[in-house]
Amino acid sequence: GNSVTQMEGPVTLSEEAFLTINCTYTATGYPSLFWYVQYPGEGLQLLLKATKADDKGSNKGFEATYRKETTSFHLEKGSVQVSDSAVYFCALSDSGGFKTIFGAGTRLFVKA
Amino acid sequence: DAGVTQSPTHLIKTRGQQVTLRCSPKSGHDTVSWYQQALGQGPQFIFQYYEEEERQRGNFPDRFSGHQFPNYSSELNVNALLLGDSALYLCASSLVDRVYNEQFFGPGTRLTVL
Repeated sequence: GNSVTQMEGPVTLSEEAFLTINCTYTATGYPSLFWYVQYPGEGLQLLLKATKADDKGSNKGFEATYRKETTSFHLEKGSVQVSDSAVYFCALSDSGGFKTIFGAGTRLFVKA
Repeated sequence: DAGVTQSPTHLIKTRGQQVTLRCSPKSGHDTVSWYQQALGQGPQFIFQYYEEEERQRGNFPDRFSGHQFPNYSSELNVNALLLGDSALYLCASSLVDRVYNEQFFGPGTRLTVL
């Protein structure tokens, strides 16, 4: 069945460091791919999305490219801020759009 | 524009009891999905409702049931509560869309089973 695997955390970075959180997926067909962010005490917020191969999703300085050949959707940001501290979830939705499958999440701590 | 709302925020129950959680979707949305998020884990899909019917279900026992009302709001019911049902329950709403499924999440209901 469909699944998402993302790098384990926590990831601890200093402010202005470069961020990469790895995500790979297994799916039949052509899923849509997402990154969600969960700040402490809050629900999930959609950070960015990509709906087909080679699409690049971007938002708030974060980017991820849908790589079908490597079945990956790695999240990157060139310069993190303390306010980026949160849990990041990689997710996919099949073409039927019935459900979203999430990875286990990666907690990011950014130190000033 | 109100986003997805859920009630209550927190709930404490004892084993064997029953619980009902409520969700109002984002304005204009017609589909509601429910997820269970255990501590330190990603959300797990419970089921999705559209046009007042369950469209798809995840790997959850029949103790988990739901309902969608004509105004698109939804309830999640859990019977015979177990300690392992303690989790954050998230509701997400979306529009029926065959291309992709962008979901908007509520803040969740934190259920504690003692």
